[in-house]
Amino acid sequence: NAGVTQTPKFQVLKTGQSMTLQCAQDMNHEYMSWYRQDPGMGLRLIHYSVGAGITDQGEVPNGYNVSRSTTEDFPLRLLSAAPSQTSVYFCASRGQLNEQFFGPGTRLTVL
Amino acid sequence: AQSVTQPDIHITVSEGASLELRCNYSYGATPYLFWYVQSPGQGLQLLLKYFSGDTLVQGIKGFEAEFKRSQSSFNLRKPSVHWSDAAEYFCRHDYGGSQGNLIFGKGTKLSVKP
Repeated sequence: NAGVTQTPKFQVLKTGQSMTLQCAQDMNHEYMSWYRQDPGMGLRLIHYSVGAGITDQGEVPNGYNVSRSTTEDFPLRLLSAAPSQTSVYFCASRGQLNEQFFGPGTRLTVL
Repeated sequence: AQSVTQPDIHITVSEGASLELRCNYSYGATPYLFWYVQSPGQGLQLLLKYFSGDTLVQGIKGFEAEFKRSQSSFNLRKPSVHWSDAAEYFCRHDYGGSQGNLIFGKGTKLSVKP
C-alpha cells in the first residue's frame, strides 16, 4: 500500500492564481481531511470528508474548496491564492481505530 | 471551547537523559488521545494512542504515555533519549461527536544535545 500520497511536494503561486492540491489514499478509508501547518500554530483543520459526496468545514475553511467524488481522492482547491495561504498542507485519512495516516505534505508559497 | 495544550514550545535534553512532554486537554466525554512525531520535512507519524483500559500505553520507538483523567493529561515519556528523537511532537485529542471533533496541540520541538 502506498498509504496517503500528495502532489505536488512544492509549489509557488502568484497572488490570485488558482491551483489544486491532490491527495489520494489506497486504504479504503472513509474519513479524509486537510490541514495546514504554520509555525507556532500546530495543525489546523481546513476541510474534512466522512465519505464520498460528503464534505464539511473545519477550523479554517475560508479560501479553500474541496470535493469527494471517490473514496480514494480528496483534492483541495485554492480558487484565488493569497499570501496568507503560504503554508505546509497535509492530507490525512483516518482508519477504523481513529488513527490518522498523513501524507508527506505540500509546501506552498504564495507571492 | 475544546483545547489541547502543550505547554512547552521547545525542550532540549541531553542524549541518554529521560524525557517527558506534557499534554493537557479540555474535558471530553471520550478521551481518545494520541501522540504523533514529525521529523523535519516529513508528515506526522503516530507514536501511540489511548482509548480506554490500561492508562499506561506503550508506543513505537520506546515511547510511552500515561493517561491521568484527574489531571486531564496525557504526557509522553521516554527513559533514554536518542539523537534521532529530535523532532516535533504533537498531542491530539478526539472529543467525540461528529467526525470533525478532533484537535491537535501546537507542538513541542525536541532538541537533543550530544
